[in-house]
Amino acid sequence: AQKITQTQPGMFVQEKEAVTLDCTYDTSDQSYGLFWYKQPSSGEMIFLIYQGSYDEQNATEGRYSLNFQKARKSANLVISASQLGDSAMYFCAMREGSGGSQGNLIFGKGTKLSVKP
Amino acid sequence: GAGVSQSPRYKVAKRGQDVALRCDPISGHVSLFWYQQALGQGPEFLTYFQNEAQLDKSGLPSDRFFAERPEGSVSTLKIQRTQQEDSAVYLCASSLRGRGLLSSYEQYFGPGTRLTVT
Repeated sequence: AQKITQTQPGMFVQEKEAVTLDCTYDTSDQSYGLFWYKQPSSGEMIFLIYQGSYDEQNATEGRYSLNFQKARKSANLVISASQLGDSAMYFCAMREGSGGSQGNLIFGKGTKLSVKP
Repeated sequence: GAGVSQSPRYKVAKRGQDVALRCDPISGHVSLFWYQQALGQGPEFLTYFQNEAQLDKSGLPSDRFFAERPEGSVSTLKIQRTQQEDSAVYLCASSLRGRGLLSSYEQYFGPGTRLTVT
């Protein structure tokens, strides 16, 4: 069963506008962590933001914020004031908190964001 | 540089050849992960080291895949008798602490090695 679902294969946004990238997850753990990574064409995965399952406040890092809705098991990434350099693949990932795979990251299939000038 | 480095960046192998992919993690990082990223997909976990100990190899797709980290720093992922389905980008990541600790620790990724098997 797919544990991380990103339903938007591709998204377009106008420069300077905000965009939301969707992510839903599936886990029976009480403790887990959610991450967003950016992967430009160079291939390197760049950490953007983290949300712990027990964190009550939504995480924010500069222009990035994570809209965490625990009951709906969603962890959407919001990018404000998009820049041309934001064009890249974006991956949502979950770190499970128990079991033999504790600590491993499970990634979604990604969303390709294109920022238009 | 202070980041994770990987070599080679690109590797073309003929089917049946053995390949070795190298990862230099950030100095002092305890954890090292290998991931496989097929075209158009997200990375998938292969194996995990804590220092020199390989604690999890549940993601290795077959016994043709072998990884080592003998001194707890540099790691090598070896693929024997490569097959076309092995074509992918192989990503290495390191993090400061052990895998089991729940925190906001990040995994820092290298640029990957793109393996093409012809």
